[in-house]
Amino acid sequence: AQTVTQSQPEMSVQEAETVTLSCTYDTSESNYYLFWYKQPPSRQMILVIRQEAYKQQNATENRFSVNFQKAAKSFSLKISDSQLGDTAMYFCAFMKRNNAGNMLTFGGGTRLMVKP
Amino acid sequence: DAGITQSPRYKITETGRQVTLMCHQTWSHSYMFWYRQDLGHGLRLIYYSAAADITDKGEVPDGYVVSRSKTENFPLTLESATRSQTSVYFCASSERSGSSYNEQFFGPGTRLTVL
Repeated sequence: AQTVTQSQPEMSVQEAETVTLSCTYDTSESNYYLFWYKQPPSRQMILVIRQEAYKQQNATENRFSVNFQKAAKSFSLKISDSQLGDTAMYFCAFMKRNNAGNMLTFGGGTRLMVKP
Repeated sequence: DAGITQSPRYKITETGRQVTLMCHQTWSHSYMFWYRQDLGHGLRLIYYSAAADITDKGEVPDGYVVSRSKTENFPLTLESATRSQTSVYFCASSERSGSSYNEQFFGPGTRLTVL
């Protein structure tokens, strides 16, 4: 079984600054995906960024980037130029890459507050 | 409505009552999922379904029943609700899995309170 741990229950950052959210995971799988989801107060789950474990290059989506350290089983999210709209819960998630279904395993979440 | 919808959005019930949460998707996705979200636990998988009439347990299935007679619907039933089942419930769907990645799309969630 996989486990995903987010050690920072809450974080805050000033608008326009950079913040990094941490995530570690434990798995015996070699092929998998990692994700960061954003959940604003509306509760909608929004996919922020995805990383494929076999790719060494870190994924980037506009102001969002990851630092994927496969050997250390670490997957942190960096948000640059933080905006008020980034205020949300952020969840790290793991998915095995196989034919048995796309089940996601989530971490406990980090609540991010962007301050004006 | 196109996409994935859940009903009701909010539900208050009493201990011991039966409650059914509905999930409907318009994409004809093969896979559908039910998660519950509790503080400190993120989302945890309750049940999932690979196709109509095929369902399987997830991480926390006790106290829940699912069915899938049609591809587009995946209802979740709490046969005798307990206070510990107070939570936010999310339904999700995705294309059939394979060698490539298929994104899960989430519904808006149902907040269930059991008194």
